[in-house]
Amino acid sequence: AQSVTQPDIHITVSEGASLELRCNYSYGATPYLFWYVQSPGQGLQLLLKYFSGDTLVQGIKGFEAEFKRSQSSFNLRKPSVHWSDAAEYFCAVWSLMSDDYKLSFGAGTTVTVRA
Amino acid sequence: DAGVIQSPRHEVTEMGQEVTLRCKPISGHNSLFWYRQTMMRGLELLIYFNNNVPIDDSGMPEDRFSAKMPNASFSTLKIQPSEPRDSAVYFCASSLGSGVTEAFFGQGTRLTVV
Repeated sequence: AQSVTQPDIHITVSEGASLELRCNYSYGATPYLFWYVQSPGQGLQLLLKYFSGDTLVQGIKGFEAEFKRSQSSFNLRKPSVHWSDAAEYFCAVWSLMSDDYKLSFGAGTTVTVRA
Repeated sequence: DAGVIQSPRHEVTEMGQEVTLRCKPISGHNSLFWYRQTMMRGLELLIYFNNNVPIDDSGMPEDRFSAKMPNASFSTLKIQPSEPRDSAVYFCASSLGSGVTEAFFGQGTRLTVV
């Protein structure tokens, strides 16, 4: 089955510092990749997506992600975090395999922002 | 658009009772997903509908769980009988089209079975 792995369960970062969240995927063909954010008590909101083309993808809230096929990665970055960025972040992949046609999520990374 | 609407937001029920969770997808969307989120298992896809037809229900845990989509604007997830291990947040999401596209999530239903 196709899957994504988020190696970091929890990251703490200072406000104003840069942030990078890791995501590795397992997929035989070109993956369709997403990053979602979940604030406490809320649903998931799409930050950005990669389908094809430019491997550096810009999203909302100042986030970007870079698709690296050679490393099977789709890491999320933000140059300067704000306290409001404290949330849980999920990487996801759309599998188009006939026996596994679905949107699958990683385990998530919780981001804590300290003042 | 109001987005994906789920009800209730919170549900507390006793073990053995029937629970019905409801979802109204975004108007015009023709794909609908039910996910369950727990600390132990993260986000799990339970079932996926396209044009009101269940496409993949392999994630439904067992026969106690059932989902229906009688029309394009309404879906239910039913648990009968409920058990404490069913306690979780259940999310409904919808998307436009049957292929790869963004899924929009509701705010979830927090189910507690005591």
